[in-house]
Amino acid sequence: EDQVTQSPEALRLQEGESSSLNCSYTVSGLRGLFWYRQDPGKGPEFLFTLYSAGEEKEKERLKATLTKKESFLHITAPKPEDSATYLCAVRRDYKLSFGAGTTVTVRA
Amino acid sequence: NAGVTQTPKFQVLKTGQSMTLQCAQDMNHEYMSWYRQDPGMGLRLIHYSVGAGITDQGEVPNGYNVSRSTTEDFPLRLLSAAPSQTSVYFCASKMNRVLYPNYGYTFGSGTRLTVV
Repeated sequence: EDQVTQSPEALRLQEGESSSLNCSYTVSGLRGLFWYRQDPGKGPEFLFTLYSAGEEKEKERLKATLTKKESFLHITAPKPEDSATYLCAVRRDYKLSFGAGTTVTVRA
Repeated sequence: NAGVTQTPKFQVLKTGQSMTLQCAQDMNHEYMSWYRQDPGMGLRLIHYSVGAGITDQGEVPNGYNVSRSTTEDFPLRLLSAAPSQTSVYFCASKMNRVLYPNYGYTFGSGTRLTVV
């Protein structure tokens, strides 16, 4: 059975304080790892997809990396608007399996 | 484009009642899925479809039915509502993976369902 574990569950940061979120996974036949952002009361918003170990993608203050067993989402110099829950998911066939998420709070 | 539209946004049902959650997308996406989100458990796949006329079960399909008669619509039917089905339901759609590998699923804004 596919398993996705995200840590930490919650992260409180000061504005400008960089940090990383972890997503560890076990899946046979990985067909992509996805990162999403979810704001309260809204649906998840797609950020990145990664397919191969060593692959990296960036978007503004966010950078996602992938190894054979885990992925990291690095937040560089975060701002209060980066506060959200960040979800990781792995894809096998047509199915996505999600982790429980990391809730990030950035204080001004 | 409106994206993925879910209706209703909120619903309260009594145990044993049936209802249909509507989902429509106007992006000509082939893939569509239904998820439920419960506190501390992440999103769990209920049913999915890879094209009109093709559906399959996800991780938690019991108590739910789906059909896909058109590319645009993917309704989720609750056959006999139970309190365990109280959750937030999300519909999502995606372009063909082979043709568009760097795009993820687009999610709707959700339906918040309470079964009493």
